[in-house]
Amino acid sequence: AQTVTQSQPEMSVQEAETVTLSCTYDTSESNYYLFWYKQPPSRQMILVIRQEAYKQQNATENRFSVNFQKAAKSFSLKISDSQLGDTAMYFCAFMKLHSNSGYALNFGKGTSLLVTP
Amino acid sequence: GAGVSQSPSNKVTEKGKDVELRCDPISGHTALYWYRQSLGQGLEFLIYFQGNSAPDKSGLPSDRFSAERTGGSVSTLTIQRTQQEDSAVYLCASSQARGTEAFFGQGTRLTVV
Repeated sequence: AQTVTQSQPEMSVQEAETVTLSCTYDTSESNYYLFWYKQPPSRQMILVIRQEAYKQQNATENRFSVNFQKAAKSFSLKISDSQLGDTAMYFCAFMKLHSNSGYALNFGKGTSLLVTP
Repeated sequence: GAGVSQSPSNKVTEKGKDVELRCDPISGHTALYWYRQSLGQGLEFLIYFQGNSAPDKSGLPSDRFSAERTGGSVSTLTIQRTQQEDSAVYLCASSQARGTEAFFGQGTRLTVV
């Protein structure tokens, strides 16, 4: 099974500042997908950003961007101009592209982000 | 439907009873996932269905847990002889194809007393 590690259980950032959440993973695969999901107190999981491993260009979605370092197996999420609504649990997830036995999303344990006024 | 629907949203059951949790995926989505999330924890993979292929059951924690997906659509997760450690939020997700976004339901909060 693929291992996804999020080394920061909790983080805090002030409104309008920038914060980076880290994620590393362990795999022998060369083709895969990586995701960041957000889970606010409502419990609803929401996709933040998605990256295909074969693409060298880092994915960007408005204030959210990733730093994908394939050789280092690192996939960090940068949130710019943090907003109070960004307060949530953030989960990094890994999905194999080809497999003979399932394609489950494997999640890290999450980082709890608090945005303060 | 517009999104992934799970029912019930909350379930309280007595230790030793069986429970069934239901998931209605987005229409046309071939992949369906079940996860368990204990309080303040990450998502623990339970089972994965992809089309007509045999499901990946590698995450089921014990033989008290089982799941089926009828007609490639609705899925039911069954927990037999529930234990207090089964208390958690059970999340279901579906996706259209491999590598695409998985859409999650709101989950079922199971409490075993």
